[in-house]
Amino acid sequence: GNSVTQMEGPVTLSEEAFLTINCTYTATGYPSLFWYVQYPGEGLQLLLKATKADDKGSNKGFEATYRKETTSFHLEKGSVQVSDSAVYFCALSERGSTLGRLYFGRGTQLTVWP
Amino acid sequence: DAGVIQSPRHEVTEMGQEVTLRCKPISGHDYLFWYRQTMMRGLELLIYFNNNVPIDDSGMPEDRFSAKMPNASFSTLKIQPSEPRDSAVYFCASSLIGTSGSNEQFFGPGTRLTVL
Repeated sequence: GNSVTQMEGPVTLSEEAFLTINCTYTATGYPSLFWYVQYPGEGLQLLLKATKADDKGSNKGFEATYRKETTSFHLEKGSVQVSDSAVYFCALSERGSTLGRLYFGRGTQLTVWP
Repeated sequence: DAGVIQSPRHEVTEMGQEVTLRCKPISGHDYLFWYRQTMMRGLELLIYFNNNVPIDDSGMPEDRFSAKMPNASFSTLKIQPSEPRDSAVYFCASSLIGTSGSNEQFFGPGTRLTVL
């Protein structure tokens, strides 16, 4: 079946620190991969995505590379800001009978201190 | 576009009462999803629709929960009777798959439900 495993939080960093949030997946086919972000009191919103192996998604200084050989899609940012404090969700989708559905990880809470 | 609209934003009710949550998806989207988020269980998919037809309701926790989508611009999630363990934030999301295959879901702001 399809599933996503991401590192447990919470993650606490100082401003300008380097961020990595690990994400690995299990899929029956060739999924598309996503990172969503949820700011306090809001719904989830798409941060970045990659649709095939070796693709790199990027947005707002965040990056993630689709690694088929390691079934991973780790989220990175070189220098975090206080405003990046949020919950980050890794997700996958597949074509076929579950087209349209996203499989989410448990989420990783990030807190950035000034 | 105004995005996905949910109402009410907050609901406080007493155990045993009926609760109805409402969602208006983004115009033209062909998928609609209902999620529940709690600290203990994280984000759970309850049910989703494609072109107003329920595709998978295996995440609906009990018969007390029901969802409908009478037309492309409106959906409801009903809990009857409500229980304290139903307290959570309920999100509605919509997406357009179409020919692009893009699978970005757009989430509403959520309804925070408290059952006393």
